[in-house]
Amino acid sequence: DVKVTQSSRYLVKRTGEKVFLECVQDMDHENMFWYRQDPGLGLRLIYFSYDVKMKEKGDIPEGYSVSREKKERFSLILESASTNQTSMYLCASSLPQGGGQPQHFGDGTRLSIL
Amino acid sequence: KNQVEQSPQSLIILEGKNCTLQCNYTVSPFSNLRWYKQDTGRGPVSLTIMTFSENTKSNGRYTATLDADTKQSSLHITASQLSDSASYICVVSAGGNKLVFGAGTILRVKS
Repeated sequence: DVKVTQSSRYLVKRTGEKVFLECVQDMDHENMFWYRQDPGLGLRLIYFSYDVKMKEKGDIPEGYSVSREKKERFSLILESASTNQTSMYLCASSLPQGGGQPQHFGDGTRLSIL
Repeated sequence: KNQVEQSPQSLIILEGKNCTLQCNYTVSPFSNLRWYKQDTGRGPVSLTIMTFSENTKSNGRYTATLDADTKQSSLHITASQLSDSASYICVVSAGGNKLVFGAGTILRVKS
């Protein structure tokens, strides 16, 4: 079974801090994704990566950056955290041909910015 | 604008009863439609995928339908169990890595 592991289940940070969310997958998937999930809005794509060192902006990239130095690891960075970035963050991975392959999700990081 | 709308927003049913969740989409081009189940505190897990040529697909007590003409899909749950309590998310692929997510239906099964 594919396992996608997010480093923290819960995280509390302060406004203005630089925040790192880590994600590791163990199935050698090329594609990795970062989403945020807010009530009533569903999942919204922040960034995705289809290969090491490659990244593409999603629908809501403002205020975020990403890093993919190794195939199995995809990091989401909040450069200067703000209260409107309080949310559930989900990482996912998949084989190529993204639409035809299921995305495998981690269990999420609930991030609170105070 | 690509959109996926799910109804109802939430639903409460008694254990053993059936229910149907709806998904309407305006996504172009259409590649496929997938239903995910998300248990509380967990990430979504794929239940089934529907392609353009498929009308019905079953996965145990879950049956998904697709009407590509009316751009509607449904997820029918038969003989519900407490473990079916979850959020059900409809996701439509516009090809490649472009996915459009619905906001989900929250199902609660009561004993």
